[in-house]
Amino acid sequence: GENVEQHPSTLSVQEGDSAVIKCTYSDSASNYFPWYKQELGKGPQLIIDIRSNVGEKKDQRIAVTLNKTAKHFSLHITETQPEDSAVYFCAPPGTGFQKLVFGTGTRLLVSP
Amino acid sequence: GEEVAQTPKHLVRGEGQKAKLYCAPIKGHSYVFWYQQVLKNEFKFLISFQNENVFDETGMPKERFSAKCLPNSPCSLEIQATKLEDSAVYFCASTDRNEKLFFGSGTQLSVL
Repeated sequence: GENVEQHPSTLSVQEGDSAVIKCTYSDSASNYFPWYKQELGKGPQLIIDIRSNVGEKKDQRIAVTLNKTAKHFSLHITETQPEDSAVYFCAPPGTGFQKLVFGTGTRLLVSP
Repeated sequence: GEEVAQTPKHLVRGEGQKAKLYCAPIKGHSYVFWYQQVLKNEFKFLISFQNENVFDETGMPKERFSAKCLPNSPCSLEIQATKLEDSAVYFCASTDRNEKLFFGSGTQLSVL
């Protein structure tokens, strides 16, 4: 099955800095790569996703890059704001439709 | 509705009691998923449905867990004879075929 590793586990930045979180997966057949944001007391919220035929996707301050050869994809947040503080999860699907395999999460803290 | 609605928000049960959780998917979504989150960051896939049919149940502890999605009713997840280790947040999610999963806010189950 899919093995997912996520780094770092915690990340503290100053407001305005950039943040990068990396996710490594094992299943070379994976073709869908989402990132979720989870705020306290809430469910995960999809913030950006990418498919295997694309190397990079950007949505305002958030971007995802994919390296299929090395089997990793990364979340990039630029110009961070305090409201970006949350736990971020990568969750590529394992064997099965949307049978997500969540990484262990990265707690991002953005200080004003 | 426009969001996945889960009830109740919190559920407290004594060990050995039954627990029943409910989920109303987003209108028009034909796929429903249940995930269990323990220790804040560990997610586990439990089961998925396509309309009222079980799609993938490979994550379900079958001895005590059961789930249903019946027409014109909220989906449900039932745990018979709860154990301490069942304490977790249970998330429901829904999607149509475009693969973007939308999660509810979860039900926090505490087994005492």
